[in-house]
Amino acid sequence: QKEVEQDPGPLSVPEGAIVSLNCTYSNSAFQYFMWYRQYSRKGPELLMYTYSSGNKEDGRFTAQVDKSSKYISLFIRDSQPSDSATYLCAMIYNQGGKLIFGQGTELSVKP
Amino acid sequence: GAGVSQSPSNKVTEKGKDVELRCDPISGHTALYWYRQRLGQGLEFLIYFQGNSAPDKSGLPSDRFSAERTGESVSTLTIQRTQQEDSAVYLCASSLDRGSYSNQPQHFGDGTRLSIL
Repeated sequence: QKEVEQDPGPLSVPEGAIVSLNCTYSNSAFQYFMWYRQYSRKGPELLMYTYSSGNKEDGRFTAQVDKSSKYISLFIRDSQPSDSATYLCAMIYNQGGKLIFGQGTELSVKP
Repeated sequence: GAGVSQSPSNKVTEKGKDVELRCDPISGHTALYWYRQRLGQGLEFLIYFQGNSAPDKSGLPSDRFSAERTGESVSTLTIQRTQQEDSAVYLCASSLDRGSYSNQPQHFGDGTRLSIL
């Protein structure tokens, strides 16, 4: 069983839709949670970085962490074709060095 | 300022050859990481440097893989006697120093796409 599970998709939505991306994890030692966006043939770009349970908002993006359920989400409001990319969740142990990634979800936003 | 820079961006080589991949981290970032991304997969951790030392090498898949870092800056990942299963994108990331009670986000380069024929 993988430490971090993420549905690979692909997920296709119309422009303007609200997108929900999710990851579950098995190890309660994870303390920091991240969402990265990766365009084709590019490196991952950090979108959201959270520590505690609850919500964090940045523009059209909201990251949600529920440590009791070991579940994290990324919501994208008013999705745009430019949001079409692969979204990777990642997490890290407190004071640990390496990121543990989900498989990534491929998102396509159709005009 | 400049981001993480990796070279070459693409590398095609024959099975059995050695390859060297280079990473220039963001200036001032003392922590440096190497990851591997196989087609359609998430990233797999390979090795972590704090300064010039490597406290975590647990992700290196075999003794054909090695990495070094000099001057708390550039790092080189070397794969000896390459195999077809080594074909992947090799990504480098860097972050600010990790204090005892802090964790700084990692910023990635665009990777080296390695193809073994």
